[in-house]
Amino acid sequence: TQLLEQSPQFLSIQEGENLTVYCNSSSVFSSLQWYRQEPGEGPVLLVTVVTGGEVKKLKRLTFQFGDARKDSSLHITAAQPGDTGLYLCAGAEAGGTSYGKLTFGQGTILTVHP
Amino acid sequence: EAGVAQSPRYKIIEKRQSVAFWCNPISGHATLYWYQQILGQGPKLLIQFQNNGVVDDSQLPKDRFSAERLKGVDSTLKIQPAKLEDSAVYLCASSLRGSGRHNEQFFGPGTRLTVL
Repeated sequence: TQLLEQSPQFLSIQEGENLTVYCNSSSVFSSLQWYRQEPGEGPVLLVTVVTGGEVKKLKRLTFQFGDARKDSSLHITAAQPGDTGLYLCAGAEAGGTSYGKLTFGQGTILTVHP
Repeated sequence: EAGVAQSPRYKIIEKRQSVAFWCNPISGHATLYWYQQILGQGPKLLIQFQNNGVVDDSQLPKDRFSAERLKGVDSTLKIQPAKLEDSAVYLCASSLRGSGRHNEQFFGPGTRLTVL
């Protein structure tokens, strides 16, 4: 079973600050996805990174996939209260019969105070 | 396009009782997943269906949990009998194909189960 370690587990910041969430594993993934989940709702896909070293930007969010496809980061610039939520990374297994199966990290709870 | 539908949204039962959850995936999605999300943790896959066949149920506690997707569309997850540690949010997700590096999954709102 592949494991994904997310850090930090909790993050409480003021509006306007920057932050980075990390997702690390000893396993190689074919792709890595980032989801955001609000209370009472299911996770919503933000982005999928596929190529080692890939960087994707979504407004104030920047996602990076490690060169070896074992780790990823999410950086938020000038956080806003609307960014508050649970951020989950999920790795898609690289091969075999479980090709594409998602393994989720434990999540980072982000609170942005006005 | 309608999203993944789940019902009920909330359920409170006593231990040793039975409970069932229902999921209707996005139209045309061949793959359906049931996840268990315990408070403070990421979702854990319980079972994956490809059309009406089981692809992966390695983490499903088969002594008490069962799931079916008889016509390859909607699905039911059942717990019988429930234990205190089953308290969690049960998420249903669907995807177009179910494999491959992109494998984008779309989630329903979940059913929050409380076992007393």
